[in-house]
Amino acid sequence: AQSVTQLDSHVSVSEGTPVLLRCNYSSSYSPSLFWYVQHPNKGLQLLLKYTSAATLVKGINGFEAEFKKSETSFHLTKPSAHMSDAAEYFCVVEHYGGSQGNLIFGKGTKLSVKP
Amino acid sequence: GAVVSQHPSWVICKSGTSVKIECRSLDFQATTMFWYRQFPKQSLMLMATSNEGSKATYEQGVEKDKFLINHASLTLSTLTVTSAHPEDSSFYICSARDRGGYYNEQFFGPGTRLTVL
Repeated sequence: AQSVTQLDSHVSVSEGTPVLLRCNYSSSYSPSLFWYVQHPNKGLQLLLKYTSAATLVKGINGFEAEFKKSETSFHLTKPSAHMSDAAEYFCVVEHYGGSQGNLIFGKGTKLSVKP
Repeated sequence: GAVVSQHPSWVICKSGTSVKIECRSLDFQATTMFWYRQFPKQSLMLMATSNEGSKATYEQGVEKDKFLINHASLTLSTLTVTSAHPEDSSFYICSARDRGGYYNEQFFGPGTRLTVL
């Protein structure tokens, strides 16, 4: 079975400092992994996705994530946080075992950015 | 880009009434739509998967008679919460897969907040 674990429920950084949101996955297959962001009272927006191509994935708004099979990790990073980055972030793995390609969400990490 | 809308964005209803939530793909055709439920400060839990023109597939523990899903066209799926009770209060989010796009990318709607009094 596939699953994801987001290691921090809340991360707080100062504006202009690096961001690191940690995610570990479990999958019997070569997984497809995603990071989504959810701003308050808004829908989820795809930040980036890994689908067995390059292990370093670049996404929107300066975010990137590196797939490390040996560590079963897919951590999300950004060199310099912006106030607008404050939101909830979800690490997601695709569920295999059916034809639907359902998504399994982590519990989320709330990112706070201090001025 | 691919846009998914939901209507209404929020609804308050009395216990025992039914509420219908619409999910529309605005600029693409969606053969598959998904309905999620999100409790406060928690993650999204998949409730059901609907395919255009066929019956929805419900996840274990989700009452199909309580949460009626209809996917009558390639751009519209509806979720009806029947005989709603306070414990059904939640944030409901739909997503849609672009028929012509990357096969497992889902585009999410903005969500509907349901409060049952």
